Amino acid sequence: DTAVSQTPKYLVTQMGNDKSIKCEQNLGHDTMYWYKQDSKKFLKIMFSYNNKELIINETVPNRFSPKSPDKAHLNLHINSLELGDSAVYFCASTDWGVKGEQYFGPGTRLTVT
Amino acid sequence: SQQGEEDPQALSIQEGENATMNCSYKTSINNLQWYRQNSGRGLVHLILIRSNEREKHSGRLRVTLDTSKKSSSLLITASRAADTASYFCATDPTDSWGKLQFGAGTQVVVTP
Repeated sequence: DTAVSQTPKYLVTQMGNDKSIKCEQNLGHDTMYWYKQDSKKFLKIMFSYNNKELIINETVPNRFSPKSPDKAHLNLHINSLELGDSAVYFCASTDWGVKGEQYFGPGTRLTVT
Repeated sequence: SQQGEEDPQALSIQEGENATMNCSYKTSINNLQWYRQNSGRGLVHLILIRSNEREKHSGRLRVTLDTSKKSSSLLITASRAADTASYFCATDPTDSWGKLQFGAGTQVVVTP
């Protein structure tokens, strides 16, 4: 009964590779997010989709491309991975109309070697 | 840019003691939220306080908000070893709703 799930949980890959992280929520929310948490635990928003439309696009390299096939899914594709992309990536979701809390997934730890 | 700043960065207490951490922010907000993150896990929402509220309680948690000082505090009473975690405040700015701005967190260690 996981509310927000992410796959994979761990991802180890070499520089230059392309990888994807998937997120799914079963809460019926209409808004989903991607966050990046660096080694100092600082959490920064990257993207947000509302009803499959991109509504927040922070200053993120265009090597990162989110895709939302439907309201319950938000994927993150990263091209040409760099060492600095190593971090924990969290997906979150919320109900836009409630203007309340966000529900986070367990995170995907990406290590680029 | 980072919106919230938590203080202290780290806190070590014994079971049964109270833990207090503070959060300061810079811009006008719709609400302020506190989250907990256990090691290696995702963030769990604890409590949300709206800009027109001054104090809120949830179980052993008490949150205050002073919008004139742009600050908030989280008090955990009668702490338990299971409260060991990092605690983050997140502000929801009025000029960009839903774009939560997180602080760097307070790492709390509760020893039995």
